[in-house]
Amino acid sequence: DVQLVESGGGLVKPGGSLRLSCAASGFTFSVYSVHWVRQAPGKGLEWVSSISSTSDYIYYTDSVKGRFTISRDNAKNSMYLQMSGLRAEDTAVYFCAREASGSRLDYWGQGTQVTVSS
Amino acid sequence: IQLTQSPAFLSASVGDRVTITCRASQGISSYLAWYQQKPGKAPKVLIYSASTLQSGVPSRFSGSESGTEFTLTISSLQPEDFATYYCQQFTSNPYNFGQGTKLEIK
Repeated sequence: DVQLVESGGGLVKPGGSLRLSCAASGFTFSVYSVHWVRQAPGKGLEWVSSISSTSDYIYYTDSVKGRFTISRDNAKNSMYLQMSGLRAEDTAVYFCAREASGSRLDYWGQGTQVTVSS
Repeated sequence: IQLTQSPAFLSASVGDRVTITCRASQGISSYLAWYQQKPGKAPKVLIYSASTLQSGVPSRFSGSESGTEFTLTISSLQPEDFATYYCQQFTSNPYNFGQGTKLEIK
């Protein structure tokens, strides 16, 4: 079965850093683009970042550019989101998701909570 | 590209036919997906490429497009359909979502 499992969330002070991980299994991770999507408490979904299968194409939403870095290790079937300069408005559940052909996110992890607070 | 979803809230009864609209600020060439999300859960894809039903999704869900306006229709609401629905465009980055439509039981 296809599975995506996020980890690395937690409580961090404003200005701090955190590294999220997304471990994939049940499919050939190296041929898929993968994404991070977040959801602040009581709010809608916000697309954060994506990385192509060979890391050639990397994109970010404007609010995280220069602070977040997405990466992947196909040998480890894993994707990462290095977050620095964290702000209160980065508080959210962070989901990783696989992009399938036809342009949709067809499998999602369960999410990991990131809380930025002093 | 901005996506404007309407309505933000929708109250309906089991058996009703409901329609949710997502309007794009410019052409997106059918690269639009619809998701359903229940509280505390990850979203689930229902429709992609504007009108293609994701495998395993009941046929009461359908999608259509007319220019820059996209529609998700549920033909006969079932109790398990009460949730929040989002559209997402895949034409250009950022691959943003609509604001969501919360479908509640009347």
